[in-house]
Amino acid sequence: DAKTTQPNSMESNEEEPVHLPCNHSTISGTDYIHWYRQLPSQGPEYVIHGLTSNVNNRMASLAIAEDRKSSTLILHRATLRDAAVYYCIPLSGNTPLVFGKGTRLSVIA
Amino acid sequence: NAGVTQTPKFQVLKTGQSMTLQCAQDMNHEYMSWYRQDPGMGLRLIHYSVGAGITDQGEVPNGYNVSRSTTEDFPLRLLSAAPSQTSVYFCASSYPLGELFFGEGSRLTVL
Repeated sequence: DAKTTQPNSMESNEEEPVHLPCNHSTISGTDYIHWYRQLPSQGPEYVIHGLTSNVNNRMASLAIAEDRKSSTLILHRATLRDAAVYYCIPLSGNTPLVFGKGTRLSVIA
Repeated sequence: NAGVTQTPKFQVLKTGQSMTLQCAQDMNHEYMSWYRQDPGMGLRLIHYSVGAGITDQGEVPNGYNVSRSTTEDFPLRLLSAAPSQTSVYFCASSYPLGELFFGEGSRLTVL
C-alpha cells in the first residue's frame, strides 16, 4: 500500500487560498488520489479525487505532480467552515480506503 | 435518495452484551465498509465488502462480525461488547474507486 506524508497542521486566514500538500512517493500507476475531510463532530466527507491530470470541482482543486509522487489540494478561498482534518488517500482496485492522520486545517477570521 | 442509513444513532450497552449496528444504502454500491473513531483519534477500518457474499477484515476486526447477504445491507455485529469498543461507528459505501459516501454515525457506549 502506498504511504502518504502530510503536515500535521496548517493555518490559513479566512478568504485566502490554502494549499494542502501530500507526498505519496510510493504510489502505483493505477492508484487514484482521493481527498476527504472531516469537520468537527461530523463524519468524513468526500472532497475530490484524480489519477493523473488536475481536477476541479465546486469544493476544491487537485493538482497532481507530473511524476505523481505528490499532490496538492487547493481551497481557493478558505472559510471558517473549511476548518477540518484533511486526508490524502491513494486508492486502487478493490482495496479499501484507509485513513492516515491527515492535516488539521485551522482558519483564522 | 436516503444515501447511507445507519441505525441506531445512539446505543448504551453493558459489558458482555451483543448487538448489531445496521447499515443500508440505496445507491446500488458494490463496496461497503465499517470504520470506528475513538474520541480525538482518526478513523480505523474494521471490515469491508466488495460485493454481496464477500467480506474481508480491515485494520481492527477483532470483536466484530459482518455479513453481506444483499447489496444494500452490511450489518456490523458486536459479539460480546467491551468498554474498549466505546466509539463512534461509521458505515460507508461507494462504487469501486469512486466517492465514498458515509452515514451519520452510530455512537456506542459500553459500560
